Amino acid sequence: AQKITQTQPGMFVQEKEAVTLDCTYDTSDPSYGLFWYKQPSSGEMIFLIYQGSYDQQNATEGRYSLNFQKARKSANLVISASQLGDSAMYFCAMREGNNAGNMLTFGGGTRLMVKP
Amino acid sequence: GAVVSQHPSRVICKSGTSVKIECRSLDFQATTMFWYRQFPKQSLMLMATSNEGSKATYEQGVEKDKFLINHASLTLSTLTVTSAHPEDSSFYICSARSWGGGNEQFFGPGTRLTVL
Repeated sequence: AQKITQTQPGMFVQEKEAVTLDCTYDTSDPSYGLFWYKQPSSGEMIFLIYQGSYDQQNATEGRYSLNFQKARKSANLVISASQLGDSAMYFCAMREGNNAGNMLTFGGGTRLMVKP
Repeated sequence: GAVVSQHPSRVICKSGTSVKIECRSLDFQATTMFWYRQFPKQSLMLMATSNEGSKATYEQGVEKDKFLINHASLTLSTLTVTSAHPEDSSFYICSARSWGGGNEQFFGPGTRLTVL
């Protein structure tokens, strides 16, 4: 089974509007971390936001917020007030356990296109 | 935030030659680094986990004799693609997590390999 699933291969959003990118995960490990990365056409991976499995509150970083629903095993990324520069690929990822050496498993990605 | 560099950023080589890609953590020590491969329009797939001072751990299906990994110091890991073939053409990205640091995993800018 897929550990990280992103069901939206592509999304359009109007500039200045909010958009939600879906991510569901599968793990039996009680300790895990969820990440969102942005990958523009240049290829670099840009860290956006992190949510730990034991965090009580949803993570927020500027215009990015993570809608963490533990029971549903979902960790959707919400981008508020979309900007043209937000157009990129977005990847959800999970690290199981809390060891610094644990790898990230990535979802298939969602391509976000912001329309002017 | 912490910086991870990769060199070269782009390389074109002839089939049958070997190519070495360097991954450096510039301002932190990384006992563990990760090597990912990303084919066009696909997600990042973990190739191997590189541990300083010991042998790398390869993911299933990744040939260890073809993709040689050396993590000689706390700030440098190298990936050598031996006897490269056109099907090895891909985007290779390394990442590292600061030992004792936070949850963020820092990615290098990637290396685009084209094998003719």
